This record gives sequence, structure tokens and C-alpha cells, in this order.
Amino acid sequence: AQSVTQPDIHITVSEGASLELRCNYSYGATPYLFWYVQSPGQGLQLLLKYFSGDTLVQGIKGFEAEFKRSQSSFNLRKPSVHWSDAAEYFCAVGARAQGGSEKLVFGKGTKLTVNP
Amino acid sequence: ETGVTQSPTHLIKTRGQQVTLRCSSQSGHNTVSWYQQALGQGPQFIFQYYREEENGRGNFPPRFSGLQFPNYSSELNVNALELDDSALYLCASSLAGASSSSTLHFGNGTRLTVT
Repeated sequence: AQSVTQPDIHITVSEGASLELRCNYSYGATPYLFWYVQSPGQGLQLLLKYFSGDTLVQGIKGFEAEFKRSQSSFNLRKPSVHWSDAAEYFCAVGARAQGGSEKLVFGKGTKLTVNP
Repeated sequence: ETGVTQSPTHLIKTRGQQVTLRCSSQSGHNTVSWYQQALGQGPQFIFQYYREEENGRGNFPPRFSGLQFPNYSSELNVNALELDDSALYLCASSLAGASSSSTLHFGNGTRLTVT
């Protein structure tokens, strides 16, 4: 079964520091991969997605992610974190649901705290 | 462009009761998915509706049911509420029937508390 592991439950960084959030997936074929961000009390906003092609994907808010098939990873990076980046980040893989539709399988999330 | 809207934002119910949550799709989207997000967890897929029919389901019991209307809005119904049903329920809309290439647009969710 498809699964996503986000090894870090909580990460704290200083404003201006670089950031890398880890994501490992389990999927038999070429995966569709996503990173979403969730601010407190809000829904999920898509940061970026990988379907095929260039393994380095650029997203919104200055984020990027790199797909590494050999490591089954899709880590999210940002060179310089802003205080407004404090939120919870979810990695997800596209999968097939019973009935045939596509679904997203999410990791448990990584909570990012940004210190001034 | 109108985004995904969900109502109500918060709801408190008693164990054994029934609840209906509502979702209006983003303009132009014809597919609606529902996810349950328990506290401290990632969202879990409940089901998806396309052309007013359920075309995909996650590991949820039959007491979780849904509807999609001709205007693509949707309802999630939960019968015989249990304490473990307390969660944030997220609705997401997308275009096209069954493709992960279709980006999901999420609403802000309904926070359900079962006491």
C-alpha cells in the first residue's frame, strides 16, 4: 500500500536560516508527489507538485523540492525562512482508491516553528 | 474565481447523533473529495464524487455517506456519531474525474467535536 513518512514531527529554525523538510514515500510506480502547507485553523494550500520530468520542482513562496527515485524521497527546501512560513507541512503521494478514483495519501506532517 | 467554501465552520454533536457537512466547489470544478484530519494527523481520504456518483472510497464505514448535486456542491453525512469522529473535515474540489494531475483545492474545513 502507498504510504508517506515524514520523519520530523517538529522543526524549529531561526528566521533567515535555510530549511529542509524530509519526505519518504512508498509507491510501486512513478509517483505523483505533492507538498501542502496548513496554517492554524485553515485548509491546505498546495506549495508544489511533481508528476514527471525535471526532478527539481519550483513552487510558491520560494519553496522547491527534489524528487530522488533512488532514495524514494521528495524533500522540501527553502534557502531563507520567513516568520510567516511557520505552519504545518504535509507531503502526499497520489494513489488509487477503491472504486477507481485517485486519492492523496498524506504523511503525518511536520510542524515548523520560526524563531525571530 | 470563488474558492471552496465549507459550512459550518464549527459543530458540536453528541455521540449517536447524525451530522451533515456542506461544501461548495470552486467555480468550474466538477469533482469533490472529502478528507478527515484527526488532531495531530495528516488528512485521510473518505471518498470522492464525480457526476453525482461516488467513484472512490477510503477505509471508512458505511455510516459515512455523501451526495453531490448537479451544481457540483456536496454533502458529507455521518450517522451514529462516535467520539473518534471528532476531527477537521476537509472538502477539496478539482477538475476532471480521476486524475492526480488535477490539483485539489481545499476549503478551510469544518471542525466537528463529538461529546
